[in-house]
Amino acid sequence: DAGVTQSPTHLIKTRGQQVTLRCSPKSGHDTVSWYQQALGQGPQFIFQYYEEEERQRGNFPDRFSGHQFPNYSSELNVNALLLGDSALYLCASSPLGQGGDGYTFGSGTRLTVV
Amino acid sequence: GESVGLHLPTLSVQEGDNSIINCAYSNSASDYFIWYKQESGKGPQFIIDIRSNMDKRQGQRVTVLLNKTVKHLSLQIAATQPGDSAVYFCAENKGKAAGNKLTFGGGTRVLVKP
Repeated sequence: DAGVTQSPTHLIKTRGQQVTLRCSPKSGHDTVSWYQQALGQGPQFIFQYYEEEERQRGNFPDRFSGHQFPNYSSELNVNALLLGDSALYLCASSPLGQGGDGYTFGSGTRLTVV
Repeated sequence: GESVGLHLPTLSVQEGDNSIINCAYSNSASDYFIWYKQESGKGPQFIIDIRSNMDKRQGQRVTVLLNKTVKHLSLQIAATQPGDSAVYFCAENKGKAAGNKLTFGGGTRVLVKP
């Protein structure tokens, strides 16, 4: 059983560009959350998707947007990239209403903005 | 592999010794805490959790202690092994109403010396 799959694993973009990151949740999971992890820090919650809608949002600007598809997979889009957006982007899936041990994290996408 | 955090507090421990990792939290209303392990190039992996109505919980080679009076959490790893080398994060689960989103602490790097 595959866990959470994220693509691509690494990405280099130029300031001002746009980027799309992808996540396939663990089988049986219907809720997807995205986190940003800057180097040397803990992950920070970006937003969560369930039933193709954004249900919760962290303190991130509107440049960060997302989407969830009927098969529960999800995309994270970041527009007008800034150098400070360089980070590891983590996707976590869970069954609705479960946290803690219900969360499964992917290995992340390392985004570098130059 | 990639380094999760280059400037994290580091705990160096001899193989076979016990490790203690500490975490402070600020929200006295928090009622659910989780410890995660993050190895280089991977996403966080669930270790153990504890609810605020408990002071202690034990797993396989791990024990979590919760002191609500001083808002302090600790993770004890017994007989530390080379495979325990990783970055460890504590996280608060914000509850179902908040989509079980996680707020992570800053992390501690554990280095196991042979």
